[in-house]
Amino acid sequence: DVKVTQSSRYLVKRTGEKVFLECVQDMDHENMFWYRQDPGLGLRLIYFSYDVKMKEKGDIPEGYSVSREKKERFSLILESASTNQTSMYLCASKRSYEQYFGPGTRLTVT
Amino acid sequence: GQQVMQIPQYQHVQEGEDFTTYCNSSTTLSNIQWYKQRPGGHPVFLIQLVKSGEVKKQKRLTFQFGEAKKNSSLHITATQTTDVGTYFCAGLTGGYQKVTFGIGTKLQVIP
Repeated sequence: DVKVTQSSRYLVKRTGEKVFLECVQDMDHENMFWYRQDPGLGLRLIYFSYDVKMKEKGDIPEGYSVSREKKERFSLILESASTNQTSMYLCASKRSYEQYFGPGTRLTVT
Repeated sequence: GQQVMQIPQYQHVQEGEDFTTYCNSSTTLSNIQWYKQRPGGHPVFLIQLVKSGEVKKQKRLTFQFGEAKKNSSLHITATQTTDVGTYFCAGLTGGYQKVTFGIGTKLQVIP
């Protein structure tokens, strides 16, 4: 079974903090994705990566950056957290077409 | 940019009734996927449609891809309580297969 894990299920941070969300997959997938999920807005793509050290902006990259130093790990970074970044963050990976999602991290910025 | 609209946003049905969710893209898609997210869970892949006019079935679920590859639908026959959840369509375009999700349809099934 493909496994995508995320470092935390719940996270509370203060405004202005630097936040790291980690995602690890164990199936040697080339492609990895970060989404945020908000009520009424569905899943919105923040960034994706199709190879180590390669990244592409998604639909809402502002306020975020990413890092992919190893194939299995894709990190989402909030340089200076703001309250409007309170959300559920979902990581996904895929090789061909099917995306496998992690359990999500519910981030609250106060 | 590409937009994928999905309706309805919410649907309540009596158990045994049918259910349909619709997805429309502002641009032609290379393929479309459907995912299901159970309450408290994460999205799980259901199916991918690639060909114009394609129809696929999974037990009580029927998936269609429009002739112009800009719209799709998911139909559930005789809903059961296990069908509860949010159904997302996801349109794919481009060489890197950039994925754009619809906002989802949240299905409630009343026993």
